[in-house]
Amino acid sequence: AQKITQTQPGMFVQEKEAVTLDCTYDTSDQSYGLFWYKQPSSGEMIFLIYQGSYDEQNATEGRYSLNFQKARKSANLVISASQLGDSAMYFCAMRERPSKAGGTSYGKLTFGQGTILTVHP
Amino acid sequence: DTAVSQTPKYLVTQMGNDKSIKCEQNLGHDTMYWYKQDSKKFLKIMFSYNNKELIINETVPNRFSPKSPDKAHLNLHINSLELGDSAVYFCASSQGLGVYQPQHFGDGTRLSIL
Repeated sequence: AQKITQTQPGMFVQEKEAVTLDCTYDTSDQSYGLFWYKQPSSGEMIFLIYQGSYDEQNATEGRYSLNFQKARKSANLVISASQLGDSAMYFCAMRERPSKAGGTSYGKLTFGQGTILTVHP
Repeated sequence: DTAVSQTPKYLVTQMGNDKSIKCEQNLGHDTMYWYKQDSKKFLKIMFSYNNKELIINETVPNRFSPKSPDKAHLNLHINSLELGDSAVYFCASSQGLGVYQPQHFGDGTRLSIL
């Protein structure tokens, strides 16, 4: 089963409007972290925002906010007041504890398939 | 004052050659990673080092060998390059293995095999 699912291959938004990028995850752990990264066409990976599983408040970072719904296992990224420079690929990722001693999940990020966001003027 | 830097940015080489990618971070982190991004943009972990100790070694061919001379450096050596190795390779680092610690990525190395 997919650990991280991003169901929107592509999204379009008008400049200055808000957009929500969907992310659902699958874990049996109680302690995990959820992260969003931006990859512009130039190729670098830029860390945007994170949410801890025990955080009661939704994370916010400037124009980015994370709509965390633990019961639904969703961690959607909301970008407010979209700008042309927001056009990029966006990845949702999860970091879990090792499932057992020596488990191979130790510290790695598991990524979703990504969503390409295009901001129109 | 680049946080995670990789060299080279582009690597074009022929099948069968051996090549290395270098990574350095100046964030003071103790954990470093190599990820591979394929042609469909899917990112997958390859290796991870914590305090110079290998802690993640995903199913990667033996032709790939990471080396961490110190906590700030993690290099990737690839022997006998194959067409399927063409991808973008990202180095990343984090402070510790805690699930709440974000990983910071380098700009990637685009490897093209002719």
